[in-house]
Amino acid sequence: AQSVTQLDSQVPVFEEAPVELRCNYSSSVSVYLFWYVQYPNQGLQLLLKYLSGSTLVKGINGFEAEFNKSQTSFHLRKPSVHISDTAEYFCAVSEVTAGNKLTFGGGTRVLVKP
Amino acid sequence: NAGVTQTPKFRVLKTGQSMTLLCAQDMNHEYMYWYRQDPGMGLRLIHYSVGEGTTAKGEVPDGYNVSRLKKQNFLLGLESAAPSQTSVYFCASSSPTGHLYNEQFFGPGTRLTVL
Repeated sequence: AQSVTQLDSQVPVFEEAPVELRCNYSSSVSVYLFWYVQYPNQGLQLLLKYLSGSTLVKGINGFEAEFNKSQTSFHLRKPSVHISDTAEYFCAVSEVTAGNKLTFGGGTRVLVKP
Repeated sequence: NAGVTQTPKFRVLKTGQSMTLLCAQDMNHEYMYWYRQDPGMGLRLIHYSVGEGTTAKGEVPDGYNVSRLKKQNFLLGLESAAPSQTSVYFCASSSPTGHLYNEQFFGPGTRLTVL
């Protein structure tokens, strides 16, 4: 079984500053990796995903993430945040098997301050 | 194209009552899922389905039942609600093929309170 750890439960950051959200996973088999964003009182929306190929993945809204197999990490970054990036961010993994089942981390709440 | 919709949006139950949450998707997806979201725990999979007429248990299935009688609908039932089932419930769907395979599309959620 796989597991996902998001190392920071909350990250305060000033507007236009960079932000990095850390995600580590464990699995005995190959996995796909995802970052989802949840804006207040809404469902989850996919930011980006890693399935194969280049380890640097670019997503929507200027976010990117890097897959590091040796460190089993998939950290999310944005070079300059906006107030509208205030949200909760979830890292998730799925094993490369039928069902596309996701295992989520506990989430990181990002609060962008003016 | 409404995507994934959930009914109802909010519900308050008393302990021991039953209810059914409805999820509908119009994307012709094979796979559907029910999650619950609790503070600090992310989303946890309750049950899922890989096709019409099939269901399977996820990580936290106890106290819940599901049915997938039609491809576009996935129902989550609580037979005897308990306060521990107070949570936000999300439905999702995905396709095993195509360029969007492996991407789950989520509904807006149902906030359930059990008193």
